[in-house]
Amino acid sequence: GAGVSQSPSNKVTEKGKDVELRCDPISGHTALYWYRQSLGQGLEFLIYFQGNSAPDKSGLPSDRFSAERTGGSVSTLTIQRTQQEDSAVYLCASSSGTSNTGELFFGEGSRLTVL
Amino acid sequence: AQSVTQPDIHITVSEGASLELRCNYSYGATPYLFWYVQSPGQGLQLLLKYFSGDTLVQGIKGFEAEFKRSQSSFNLRKPSVHWSDAAEYFCAVGTGFQKLVFGTGTRLLVSP
Repeated sequence: GAGVSQSPSNKVTEKGKDVELRCDPISGHTALYWYRQSLGQGLEFLIYFQGNSAPDKSGLPSDRFSAERTGGSVSTLTIQRTQQEDSAVYLCASSSGTSNTGELFFGEGSRLTVL
Repeated sequence: AQSVTQPDIHITVSEGASLELRCNYSYGATPYLFWYVQSPGQGLQLLLKYFSGDTLVQGIKGFEAEFKRSQSSFNLRKPSVHWSDAAEYFCAVGTGFQKLVFGTGTRLLVSP
């Protein structure tokens, strides 16, 4: 597609369940980011994939969070044993090139609500 | 590690008045600096960016920003605000191959 696509757009789950959020970046973009946006918290960095390099996982808040990027394209963010504090909008972004000189293109996000 | 501070959580400006949103960053070298806007119900959109050269950069929608190394600032300005500018604005800093770090955002309200 023309832009970054995320699914699902909305997800309601029960505490303790696992969820998977998907991101389909712009074709050919080598960099992919996941951010979390909570009310009043701005954009919290989670994880960054750049080409074939080892991902920067320094923002993942706990070992319940993991992400993978298959074939250098689609990425899945997995949250295990969800907690209420995981409720937020999860944003994916991609960019071209090999350094932060370019624009990040954001998807519209996946809104996660943990009951 | 780099960090970004946006000291104003909310700002209200009258339509037609000028606007300045503050952004301060912390990094040892000259970073790449960005301003993004998030309109209600929409994704983030790049307004402008600074890498090097002229410290006053022009962006879309009539916005500009000035990089001031001595103050570690990259404030966003617009001479005359329109009601459609009401949104949340995020400043971000990036350094080469490392992750892009965002500030907590400033919500702009435009009064009639």
